[in-house]
Amino acid sequence: GQNIDQPTEMTATEGAIVQINCTYQTSGFNGLFWYQQHAGEAPTFLSYNVLDGLEEKGRFSSFLSRSKGYSYLLLKELQMKDSASYLCAVRVGYQKVTFGIGTKLQVIP
Amino acid sequence: DTEVTQTPKHLVMGMTNKKSLKCEQHMGHRAMYWYKQKAKKPPELMFVYSYEKLSINESVPSRFSPECPNSSLLNLHLHALQPEDSALYLCASSQDLQLADTGELFFGEGSRLTVL
Repeated sequence: GQNIDQPTEMTATEGAIVQINCTYQTSGFNGLFWYQQHAGEAPTFLSYNVLDGLEEKGRFSSFLSRSKGYSYLLLKELQMKDSASYLCAVRVGYQKVTFGIGTKLQVIP
Repeated sequence: DTEVTQTPKHLVMGMTNKKSLKCEQHMGHRAMYWYKQKAKKPPELMFVYSYEKLSINESVPSRFSPECPNSSLLNLHLHALQPEDSALYLCASSQDLQLADTGELFFGEGSRLTVL
């Protein structure tokens, strides 16, 4: 099976930078996703990493190290609307995507 | 059209009822998924259909019965559920799994199920 770990809660200040870490242990690794989920809503896609390195997309960046089983999501210039849960998810093979517990981020003024 | 549409949005049923959840997408995706999400928990994979064939069943109890009538539709038939089955049921779709694509999941808004 998969073991995905991420902090359960984080707090950061509006305008600041926050890094959300995710570690995983799995066989058949075929990519790592980050999803954002606001309370009561469906998850929405943020990023996908399958090779080592940094992927940047606007205010959001995601990093992957396959040898370390480690990823992070970096959010810059935080806005109040970024308050949400951030889910790390691991893809095994082509069909199975398993989600971590999620990190609830609270952005404060 | 980049939407995954789920109906109904809310469903309340008794333990002896039979009901169905429906999911539809028109993005040409060939993989469709059912996830279950309880409050303050991550989505848990239930079923995966690939090219209209069931490819993954995560040991889900038989009181949940999936069906994929065609490449755009996915149903989840519910029968003799228990109160602990109350949750948000999320449908998702992704592109052709047999290509080396990102496999990004597009989620519907979910059907919130309450079993009395």
